Amino acid sequence: QVQLVQSGAEVGKPGASVKISCEASGYTFTSYYMHWVRQAPGQGLEWMGMVNPNGGSTKYAQKFQGRVTMTRDTSMRTVSMELTGLRFEDTAIYYCARDMSGTTPEYFEYWGQGTLVTVSS
Amino acid sequence: EIVLTQSPGTLSLSPGQRATLSCRASQSIRRHLAWYQQKPGQAPRLLFYDASSRGTGTPARFSGSGSGTDFTLTISSLEPEDFAVYYCQQRSDWPWTFGQGTKVEIK
Repeated sequence: QVQLVQSGAEVGKPGASVKISCEASGYTFTSYYMHWVRQAPGQGLEWMGMVNPNGGSTKYAQKFQGRVTMTRDTSMRTVSMELTGLRFEDTAIYYCARDMSGTTPEYFEYWGQGTLVTVSS
Repeated sequence: EIVLTQSPGTLSLSPGQRATLSCRASQSIRRHLAWYQQKPGQAPRLLFYDASSRGTGTPARFSGSGSGTDFTLTISSLEPEDFAVYYCQQRSDWPWTFGQGTKVEIK
């Protein structure tokens, strides 16, 4: 069965960087886009961007352009998301979510358990 | 950016009642809309995609409809496990966006 297991909670200071990983299993890793979605405490969902594990191409929401980098390691079946220049408003749960389509990106079918990132001075 | 507006913000209903949730897009998104259910402390779960196609395991009491700018998620008879927050999401244009959510709470 498809499983996405994310790395543990992180605490970072304003201006610092954080890198979260998501290990995938139960399917052909390179066949499905992987997205990152975040959720601030008590708030809604926000799409950050996606990475194509087959080749590593990325697409980011303009809001995060210049601050986010999404990468993949096919040997480890892992995708990672690094966010730089942390701000207090980046405090959120960050989810990786696998796309449902094996061709073009469509919707978020499988989700990781979430990683809490806390920005605190 | 396409804005999705969900209404109502909160729906207070009793088990067995019918729930009707709305999602309105700021421009036409054809049928490129999904619905997700999120319970406290859990990741969202895909209920419907392409407006009315049922996700894996979505119970038959749930139905999705709509196209263009107006979409509806209906729960015909609420079960205790249906009390949660529901989000709509569009994939018609970048960036993909979500509605702000509708909370279905027990009355």
